[in-house]
Amino acid sequence: DAGVTQSPTHLIKTRGQQVTLRCSPKSGHDTVSWYQQALGQGPQFIFQYYEEEERQRGNFPDRFSGHQFPNYSSELNVNALLLGDSALYLCASSLAVEGYEQYFGPGTRLTVT
Amino acid sequence: TQLLEQSPQFLSIQEGENLTVYCNSSSVFSSLQWYRQEPGEGPVLLVTVVTGGEVKKLKRLTFQFGDARKDSSLHITAAQPGDTGLYLCAPGKNDYKLSFGAGTTVTVRA
Repeated sequence: DAGVTQSPTHLIKTRGQQVTLRCSPKSGHDTVSWYQQALGQGPQFIFQYYEEEERQRGNFPDRFSGHQFPNYSSELNVNALLLGDSALYLCASSLAVEGYEQYFGPGTRLTVT
Repeated sequence: TQLLEQSPQFLSIQEGENLTVYCNSSSVFSSLQWYRQEPGEGPVLLVTVVTGGEVKKLKRLTFQFGDARKDSSLHITAAQPGDTGLYLCAPGKNDYKLSFGAGTTVTVRA
């Protein structure tokens, strides 16, 4: 049973560039959430996708956008990258009918220079 | 927004010692979850506590939810190097969004 997978593992971008991160949920899960984790901090909620729509959003600017595909996989896009966007980006999947137990992927480490 | 304070921020102990980490808030929670995050990995759910005063044990880990459901503690007995990691708490909410505390970084030295 495959768990949550994310790609790429690491990424280095320059300020002003755009980036796309990808997530495949745990088999059978239909909901994907994205989190940003700065060094030494807990993860901060970015947004959540269910039935291909953004269901909830945290306190992040519009530069952060996402998408969920019919197979439940998801992408996180960040435009006009800032140095402060450097962080570990975590994807978590869950099954809507089962409540709030979320399974996390290993994350994508984004470095903006 | 329910703010969670976790303490201490860092904890370094010798293998075999005991430790306790805390998760506190001024808000009442319907439930609270504890996660452990190892370096290079995502957080992994350890336990969910629901009832005020509840105590749950997971091998050498003991989780307690305060009577007023505003605080929780995690106690590890006879810590091992495999217990090293970032311990995070988050209120369990029906809207599925997790709002984590800053976490406690635990290092267990062999």
